[in-house]
Amino acid sequence: KQEVTQIPAALSVPEGENLVLNCSFTDSAIYNLQWFRQDPGKGLTSLLLIQSSQREQTSGRLNASLDKSSGRSTLYIAASQPGDSATYLCAAPRTYGGATNKLIFGTGTLLAVQP
Amino acid sequence: EADIYQTPRYLVIGTGKKITLECSQTMGHDKMYWYQQDPGMELHLIHYSYGVNSTEKGDLSSESTVSRIRTEHFPLTLESARPSHTSQYLCASSDPTLSVRGVETQYFGPGTRLLVL
Repeated sequence: KQEVTQIPAALSVPEGENLVLNCSFTDSAIYNLQWFRQDPGKGLTSLLLIQSSQREQTSGRLNASLDKSSGRSTLYIAASQPGDSATYLCAAPRTYGGATNKLIFGTGTLLAVQP
Repeated sequence: EADIYQTPRYLVIGTGKKITLECSQTMGHDKMYWYQQDPGMELHLIHYSYGVNSTEKGDLSSESTVSRIRTEHFPLTLESARPSHTSQYLCASSDPTLSVRGVETQYFGPGTRLLVL
């Protein structure tokens, strides 16, 4: 069974700190991995998508890395702000059953940035 | 920002009632999805559609049904709601013609939080 896990489940940091969120996946054959943000009561917003051929993707203060050999991805947030407080989810496409573009999500990391 | 809408945002209903959760997108996307998310748990795909008149079951078994009569509309129906259906339901869409090397970004609606008493 293909699985995606995230640690920690929750994280609280003071404003201005740099932080790293971790995502592990069991199938190294994935062809991409996505990071999403979910705000309370709202849907998901796609943050970054890393192709299997890439090792990093950057968007503003966010940097995501992908290491397929170790089955790990990290989301680095620089100079955190209270507005970064949300749940962060990573998701990998399903690699079995001939499915395309169906995502398997991790349980998420709830981030709280204290002002 | 993606134009995908879900109504209602919140719904409290009694056991046995029939309910329909609405999802609409104005982007002309062919693919649409329904996910179910229990508090603190992963999202699970329950239904998806590749286009009009195309619907299939997802990874998580669900007693709900869906229809896709129009490209922009993908409603989800529960014929007889039960407390076990209490959850958050998220709708998403993607456009395969806009994929980059086979990768399509999924755009999500705000979700419907359902509570069945």
